[in-house]
Amino acid sequence: QSVLTQPPSLSGAPGQRVTISCTGTGSNIGAHYDVHWYQQVPGVAPKLLIFGFTNRPSGVPDRFSGSNSGTSASLGISGLQAADEADYYCQSYDISLGGWVFGGGTKLTVL
Amino acid sequence: QAQLVQSGAEVKKPGASFKVSCKASGYSLVTHGLTWVRQAPGQGLEWMGWTTAYSGKTNYAEKFQGRVTMTTDTSTNTAYMELRSLRSDDTAVYYCARDQGYRLGLDTWGQGTLVTVSS
Repeated sequence: QSVLTQPPSLSGAPGQRVTISCTGTGSNIGAHYDVHWYQQVPGVAPKLLIFGFTNRPSGVPDRFSGSNSGTSASLGISGLQAADEADYYCQSYDISLGGWVFGGGTKLTVL
Repeated sequence: QAQLVQSGAEVKKPGASFKVSCKASGYSLVTHGLTWVRQAPGQGLEWMGWTTAYSGKTNYAEKFQGRVTMTTDTSTNTAYMELRSLRSDDTAVYYCARDQGYRLGLDTWGQGTLVTVSS
């Protein structure tokens, strides 16, 4: 059972927009700790996709966006491409646990 | 450009220990923290702990307290993570990642090291 809750799977057609949610609690996202998102293609290390809720590292397309509201955060992917098929993880800091916590991951399938 | 290169795959027996290395290039481990994350087969990411070579401070996840040790050799800019008293459910890919703190996340990852625990 992950501290941050994500939908296990999601799918969308090429060109569509999908949104992946990440729900936390008052000891992590609700305590104003930032949320970061990672993309992981099978067999490869995770890659930082969004940091600080909404910021993209250099090289990440603007098709990827982040937002937050209260104890939740969301990752939006517009103009879906086959290359976007991957697992996506959210991450935040948890003051009660005293360390990083991750969501369980969302497997995105591009139909 | 920051890069982390980890040691190769290992096979261990239950009860044994392993030590993974993580060599940093393009930046100094003294100036940034390092986090260790593991991923069991088909499972999600699990935070194991954090270390900083600046002060030698460590912060281990409660689950691994007493079984894990994270160290840094600043002369070679290499970090190490040792896990002891291995069980079959320690079979996982172990990653090191440059930790930029609460606001910036883990911006550089090693390629991962598969550790298989099997009798």
